[in-house]
Amino acid sequence: EAGVVQSPRYKIIEKKQPVAFWCNPISGHNTLYWYLQNLGQGPELLIRYENEEAVDDSQLPKDRFSAERLKGVDSTLKIQPAELGDSAVYLCASSLEANTEAFFGQGTRLTVV
Amino acid sequence: AQSVTQLGSHVSVSEGALVLLRCNYSSSVPPYLFWYVQYPNQGLQLLLKYTTGATLVKGINGFEAEFKKSETSFHLTKPSAHMSDAAEYFCAVSDQKGQFYFGTGTSLTVIP
Repeated sequence: EAGVVQSPRYKIIEKKQPVAFWCNPISGHNTLYWYLQNLGQGPELLIRYENEEAVDDSQLPKDRFSAERLKGVDSTLKIQPAELGDSAVYLCASSLEANTEAFFGQGTRLTVV
Repeated sequence: AQSVTQLGSHVSVSEGALVLLRCNYSSSVPPYLFWYVQYPNQGLQLLLKYTTGATLVKGINGFEAEFKKSETSFHLTKPSAHMSDAAEYFCAVSDQKGQFYFGTGTSLTVIP
């Protein structure tokens, strides 16, 4: 069974530029999460989807971050414009349904210079 | 609201020694509890989980954890550390709505 696939693995951009991350969850998983992980910290939830509906986006900085999950499968997370403080690892995870274990992708390491 | 506290951001043990990583949680409802491991430049991998039933949970790679409601704890243990256990470990709690809350992590170093 294929796991959660994220791309790209690494991204270096200049500040004020846009950037997008892509996530393909495990087939059949209804719940999809985007997490932000700063160095030496635990993951922090940005947004959670149940199918195509964003059910928790309270921690998503909506002035510059946006996300979508078309058809309830793949998801993209976008930052526009990026700031230096956005440098972090962005993790995507999926689970069969809420309260079951989440399976994580390898993450996208973003560096904003 | 839920929260997770991991005592000790860095733990060092000798190879073959007992591993004990501490996790305490706060939850207003019966929680689901998880331990994840993260190797460098990798995503998080589930070690074990507690949902209901037996409070002693066995996971992969010889790890186990015990849910103690009276102590609001879910400490992770392994009888004998191996070099390959060196990694970052995260405790997480999930509420009834499926929201995960992670601790800040414990970095485990295994000394040969």
